[in-house]
Amino acid sequence: EPEVTQTPSHQVTQMGQEVILRCVPISNHLYFYWYRQILGQKVEFLVSFYNNEISEKSEIFDDQFSVERPDGSNFTLKIRSTKLEDSAMYFCASSEWSNSYNEQFFGPGTRLTVL
Amino acid sequence: GDSVTQMEGPVTLSEEAFLTINCTYTATGYPSLFWYVQYPGEGLQLLLKATKADDKGSNKGFEATYRKETTSFHLEKGSVQVSDSAVYFCALRTVITQGGSEKLVFGKGTKLTVNP
Repeated sequence: EPEVTQTPSHQVTQMGQEVILRCVPISNHLYFYWYRQILGQKVEFLVSFYNNEISEKSEIFDDQFSVERPDGSNFTLKIRSTKLEDSAMYFCASSEWSNSYNEQFFGPGTRLTVL
Repeated sequence: GDSVTQMEGPVTLSEEAFLTINCTYTATGYPSLFWYVQYPGEGLQLLLKATKADDKGSNKGFEATYRKETTSFHLEKGSVQVSDSAVYFCALRTVITQGGSEKLVFGKGTKLTVNP
């Protein structure tokens, strides 16, 4: 069964460093998303991406964040200068369409720890 | 804005016990409602969904009914198993732009542990 994959599973970085979290969505999907979950808190929407551009972003997704689909398979989230409060589990998701009948398929997540 | 409130955990039950995890929502319009499950070390998996009022979603013995009058989508299972131990997330889908982008709004998650 097709699945969304994410690498790495755990990333440890120093405050101020850049990190890139990688995702491979399901191959025929057209819509891509990033969510994050700070420990003990809600899963929060960060950004949606369609047709090689951002469709929507939340207030969390500030200038330190960027997303890219560098080739036909990967979807990346870059944090330019990490802060302690960026420590969280980051989930990538994809969906074939954007309507009531299509679910978002989630990857296993990348745990980011900023020291 | 749209929001989801779900029962705080953790919840610990014995095998074959009845499970209810409460979920209520606040939304404009008529969102679709979901339950996702996260098993240890895995991603979020869709458990069940309902797209309109009075719809009942069901899967693997779990059920939830979309109740517009009480803005609720409570998850139930008649007889839980050890393998049901996981974190359960209630979520709603809200359309961000007309005919286009959408996002999921999640509750905090409820950790369920089922003991033999």
